[in-house]
Amino acid sequence: GAGVSQSPSNKVTEKGKDVELRCDPISGHTALYWYRQSLGQGLEFLIYFQGNSAPDKSGLPSDRFSAERTGGSVSTLTIQRTQQEDSAVYLCASSFNREGGKLFFGSGTQLSVL
Amino acid sequence: AQSVSQHNHHVILSEAASLELGCNYSYGGTVNLFWYVQYPGQHLQLLLKYFSGDPLVKGIKGFEAEFIKSKFSFNLRKPSVQWSDTAEYFCAANTGRRALTFGSGTRLQVQP
Repeated sequence: GAGVSQSPSNKVTEKGKDVELRCDPISGHTALYWYRQSLGQGLEFLIYFQGNSAPDKSGLPSDRFSAERTGGSVSTLTIQRTQQEDSAVYLCASSFNREGGKLFFGSGTQLSVL
Repeated sequence: AQSVSQHNHHVILSEAASLELGCNYSYGGTVNLFWYVQYPGQHLQLLLKYFSGDPLVKGIKGFEAEFIKSKFSFNLRKPSVQWSDTAEYFCAANTGRRALTFGSGTRLQVQP
């Protein structure tokens, strides 16, 4: 497809379980971002991959959160031992390196932790 | 710490009214500024951006924003809103190629 693709679109899990969220960026985009959107909280930055540079992990809220980007393309965000406060929409975005700030967003994964 | 503030959380206007949404940032040095919009059921998309040059920036759908360095502000304006402008608006900022920091968003509701 032409846009950023995220899967699953919805995920319901039990507290304490691990979840994996996937993001397929636009082909050729070197930068990939993960954000979290909670009701009334705006977008919270989680992690940022830029080419072959070390990722900026400064936004990850705890060591239960991790992300990787394989081959400079697909990214997986993993949340271990999920908690109810992890419930949110997880958004992925990508951009061309030379157009810093012009992000193309996916439709997000709605995560519900029961 | 770098931050972006949007003080209007929910704005209700009638069609043809003028719009101004506030955005303030706290960044040192050269800052890039953006407004993103999320229409109901759609992805977030870029509305306009400021990197340098003319502080009055024109975007899509008749929106504009003015960068006022002395006030650390980047307010979004539109002279006459339409029902189709109903959406959530996010101000964002970064420096260099760093990840964007977003504000908490402003929900705009335009009544026909």
